[in-house]
Amino acid sequence: AQSVTQLGSHVSVSEGALVLLRCNYSSSVPPYLFWYVQYPNQGLQLLLKYTSAATLVKGINGFEAEFKKSETSFHLTKPSAHMSDAAEYFCAVSDKNYGGSQGNLIFGKGTKLSVKP
Amino acid sequence: DAGVTQSPTHLIKTRGQHVTLRCSPISGHKSVSWYQQVLGQGPQFIFQYYEKEERGRGNFPDRFSARQFPNYSSELNVNALLLGDSALYLCASTTSEGRNIQYFGAGTRLSVL
Repeated sequence: AQSVTQLGSHVSVSEGALVLLRCNYSSSVPPYLFWYVQYPNQGLQLLLKYTSAATLVKGINGFEAEFKKSETSFHLTKPSAHMSDAAEYFCAVSDKNYGGSQGNLIFGKGTKLSVKP
Repeated sequence: DAGVTQSPTHLIKTRGQHVTLRCSPISGHKSVSWYQQVLGQGPQFIFQYYEKEERGRGNFPDRFSARQFPNYSSELNVNALLLGDSALYLCASTTSEGRNIQYFGAGTRLSVL
């Protein structure tokens, strides 16, 4: 069964510092991997996705993630944190692919990012 | 274009009651999925519907049921509510193209007292 582990339930960085949020996956088949962001009292917004094309994936708001098969990792990074990046971030793996619809998403427990001024 | 819309935004129920949550997908999207997000946890998959047929079911009791209508909107029903059903219920829609991008609504916050 596929699963996702997010290391660190809470990460705190200073404004302008590097953001690194860790995600490791377990999958018996080539995975589809995603990062979503959730702001307080809101739903989930897709940051970026990996679907077996380029291993370095660029997303919105300056975030990017690198798929490393040898390490079964898909860590999320941003070179310079902004106060508006404070939110909860979820890594997810797609369960399976149907011919005409998407499989289910299996989420990690999330990492709450705090940005200090 | 409107995104995924869910109603109501907040709901308070008591134990044993029944609740119906509603979701309208993005125009053109034929697949709807439901997730439960308990406070402090990641979302957990409940159901997926595509073209009005159930395509997937998570590990939830039979008190949870759902359906999809001809216009692709969906309802999630929960019977005999328990305190542990208190959560944010998220609906997501996707296209029929199988590109694996789910777009989420803002959710319905259910509190069971």
